Amino acid sequence: RKEVEQDPGPFNVPEGATVAFNCTYSNSASQSFFWYRQDCRKEPKLLMSVYSSGNEDGRFTAQLNRASQYISLLIRDSKLSDSATYLCAVPDSGGGADGLTFGKGTHLIIQP
Amino acid sequence: DAGVIQSPRHEVTEMGQEVTLRCKPISGHNSLFWYRQTMMRGLELLIYFNNNVPIDDSGMPEDRFSAKMPNASFSTLKIQPSEPRDSAVYFCASSLAGYTGYTFGSGTRLTVV
Repeated sequence: RKEVEQDPGPFNVPEGATVAFNCTYSNSASQSFFWYRQDCRKEPKLLMSVYSSGNEDGRFTAQLNRASQYISLLIRDSKLSDSATYLCAVPDSGGGADGLTFGKGTHLIIQP
Repeated sequence: DAGVIQSPRHEVTEMGQEVTLRCKPISGHNSLFWYRQTMMRGLELLIYFNNNVPIDDSGMPEDRFSAKMPNASFSTLKIQPSEPRDSAVYFCASSLAGYTGYTFGSGTRLTVV
């Protein structure tokens, strides 16, 4: 199965700061990428999709670097409620209805 | 929209017993995925179905695991016999084929003692 690697953290960040973390992938054929957020003892929830160079949604920006095969997630003006584990996911094939391979997640803690 | 519904939420069973996990996908979604999550291995894809047909079961750990999808609104994952190393959270997810943004169910936390 394809490899997806993430720094497990934890990242301890003061409230209001900007934080970024990366995810590297091995499947060079992948055309789409995903960031999921998972709260403790809850299911993963889709945060952002990335289909080309990047995507922005409010305080969250996801970027794709195909040459180096990594995606990044940047969170600006971090809130206490951003504390969670962030999982990146990459399709096992180029895309479509195949399975996703998930990284093990990066644990983010926003401190007051 | 009720989302993906899984049952039971928690299951504690003794080693050697049969365990059946259930999933109802979102209506209209034609892809269904079973994942297992542990601290050590993270989220692992066990099997997925497109239009009720199993497409890839290469992630199923061994013959003790089996999954079925008899219709578009129901799937089961069965473990027989169960072992302590099967203890994990089992998630079901569904999506529209061609759009891989999954919606996950709340999961079943399985403990085999």
